[in-house]
Amino acid sequence: DAGVIQSPRHEVTEMGQEVTLRCKPISGHDYLFWYRQTMMRGLELLIYFNNNVPIDDSGMPEDRFSAKMPNASFSTLKIQPSEPRDSAVYFCASSSGTGETQYFGPGTRLLVL
Amino acid sequence: AQSVTQPDIHITVSEGASLELRCNYSYGATPYLFWYVQSPGQGLQLLLKYFSGDTLVQGIKGFEAEFKRSQSSFNLRKPSVHWSDAAEYFCAVAGFQKLVFGTGTRLLVSP
Repeated sequence: DAGVIQSPRHEVTEMGQEVTLRCKPISGHDYLFWYRQTMMRGLELLIYFNNNVPIDDSGMPEDRFSAKMPNASFSTLKIQPSEPRDSAVYFCASSSGTGETQYFGPGTRLLVL
Repeated sequence: AQSVTQPDIHITVSEGASLELRCNYSYGATPYLFWYVQSPGQGLQLLLKYFSGDTLVQGIKGFEAEFKRSQSSFNLRKPSVHWSDAAEYFCAVAGFQKLVFGTGTRLLVSP
């Protein structure tokens, strides 16, 4: 298996622009997680899905952030409009069940100017 | 609620010396515990995990961890550190459907 795939790996954008991050989980995994990592706040869970359904989005910072999972093999995290404080590394992870190992993608490094 | 504490933000170890990274957790039931490693610019990679059974768990890259229920600890150890072990290490406990991560410990390896 190719592991969790994220794209793009790097994104530089200007404040106010829309940003879309993409994730393909490991085939057969029922859970998908979106994290944000910054120096100041460490690793934060933003939202997670089970069987394509959002279960807990309490970590989503504000309404500018949205996430979808239209099918079992694809998820997006969208920021609209983006702000400089959104600059971070965004990770996607997937797992096969509750309490099971989460496998992380390589991350998307986002810089909002 | 579950929580994980990694009391050391930074640790410096000489190459070839032994290593122990501390992790304390808070969880009401028998925990599922994990150690992940993150090399610079990379995602998190699983080193090892504890679900049940033998309290001494072996992982990849020569790492091991010991679950001590009485101390609510899951410390990570390696007998001889290599320069390539320089990275950030995260301890995590499995809560309901998700993992709760500690704040991480950055390991520096000196020559």
